[in-house]
Amino acid sequence: AQSVTQLDSQVPVFEEAPVELRCNYSSSVSVYLFWYVQYPNQGLQLLLKYLSGSTLVKGINGFEAEFNKSQTSFHLRKPSVHISDTAEYFCAVSLSNFNKFYFGSGTKLNVKP
Amino acid sequence: DGGITQSPKYLFRKEGQNVTLSCEQNLNHDAMYWYRQDPGQGLRLIYYSQIVNDFQKGDIAEGYSVSREKKESFPLTVTSAQKNPTAFYLCASSQPGQGISEAFFGQGTRLTVV
Repeated sequence: AQSVTQLDSQVPVFEEAPVELRCNYSSSVSVYLFWYVQYPNQGLQLLLKYLSGSTLVKGINGFEAEFNKSQTSFHLRKPSVHISDTAEYFCAVSLSNFNKFYFGSGTKLNVKP
Repeated sequence: DGGITQSPKYLFRKEGQNVTLSCEQNLNHDAMYWYRQDPGQGLRLIYYSQIVNDFQKGDIAEGYSVSREKKESFPLTVTSAQKNPTAFYLCASSQPGQGISEAFFGQGTRLTVV
């Protein structure tokens, strides 16, 4: 069975500081990996995705993530956060042979001035 | 603009009543999904459909029903058998078979039992 673990439920950080949101997954087969962002009372918006190729993936709003197969991780990073990055972030995986998505429990990023 | 439309945005239901949440997409996607979101629990899959006239139960299907009579529409009915229906419901779609595409989400429906 596939599972996604987001290790931190909340991450407080000051504006302009770097941030890393952690995501680990378990799967016995190849997976595709995604990070989504959700603002209050809205749907999810794709930040970035890893399908194949370079393990460092760049997304929108200055975010990037690195796929580490040996550690089964896909951590999200941003070198300098803004107040507007305050939101909830979800990591998701999909099996390479089946378009079904499994989501982590989410990490709330709170950027403080 | 292509996208997914969920309606209504807010819905109130009395105990014992069935309610239907609408989800329409104009992305020409074959696959559609319904997720339930509760605080601290992430997204849990209720039902999904890979093709018209076919759908499968997800992890928490009890107390819910769906239909997929048209490619663009995937309504979710929350029945009186669902013991704790108050939640935020998200509909999504994707296009399997063309590489792996991400899921596209609607803006959600917040259901409250009163």
